[in-house]
Amino acid sequence: SQQGEEDPQALSIQEGENATMNCSYKTSINNLQWYRQNSGRGLVHLILIRSNEREKHSGRLRVTLDTSKKSSSLLITASRAADTASYFCATGRIQGAQKLVFGQGTRLTINP
Amino acid sequence: SQTIHQWPATLVQPVGSPLSLECTVEGTSNPNLYWYRQAAGRGLQLLFYSVGIGQISSEVPQNLSASRPQDRQFILSSKKLLLSDSGFYLCAWSVFETGGSNEQFFGPGTRLTVL
Repeated sequence: SQQGEEDPQALSIQEGENATMNCSYKTSINNLQWYRQNSGRGLVHLILIRSNEREKHSGRLRVTLDTSKKSSSLLITASRAADTASYFCATGRIQGAQKLVFGQGTRLTINP
Repeated sequence: SQTIHQWPATLVQPVGSPLSLECTVEGTSNPNLYWYRQAAGRGLQLLFYSVGIGQISSEVPQNLSASRPQDRQFILSSKKLLLSDSGFYLCAWSVFETGGSNEQFFGPGTRLTVL
């Protein structure tokens, strides 16, 4: 079963608004990653946050990690129509060699 | 720079027919390689991963098999396809690092429809 669980499953907002997606997981992790997938395409890595980090920024992206609650959030500020995509969190375990466990994803729609 | 190729892009196959999907990586050595399947509107299910030539780990029992005949080549196969094998198949690679999981780089995917 998938460890990462994204919330909400779908999100629709107006262009210019901020979008927040959440991810929860169950076991101890080495890092947590967020990926983006445009319809019918492969996934693209957005950002990686390690278990000893609490917040990370990359352009309009802000990721937080709370290991005590086993949760993470992805914030996209000043959304654009081009941000429309599915967003997945993936967890890297401390043991278990080189694997990531992906969640079911959040489908984000930005309305112009 | 590194690139990852998958082919074919789309495939329609009858039930019971064999399958061979190929993935190759350029511009890196000794990568970790992964095969995922994605059902429509769903997340990714890890099928196989490999940390070296001839080293294959299977994540779920299924009708599929994987092989790594060369360092940067990963092949997904089936002897007889089932309807349930339909889906979007993604290959990915990452840099090997002990003690952790690095970011993965994905290919464009193969859309497989079994009729």
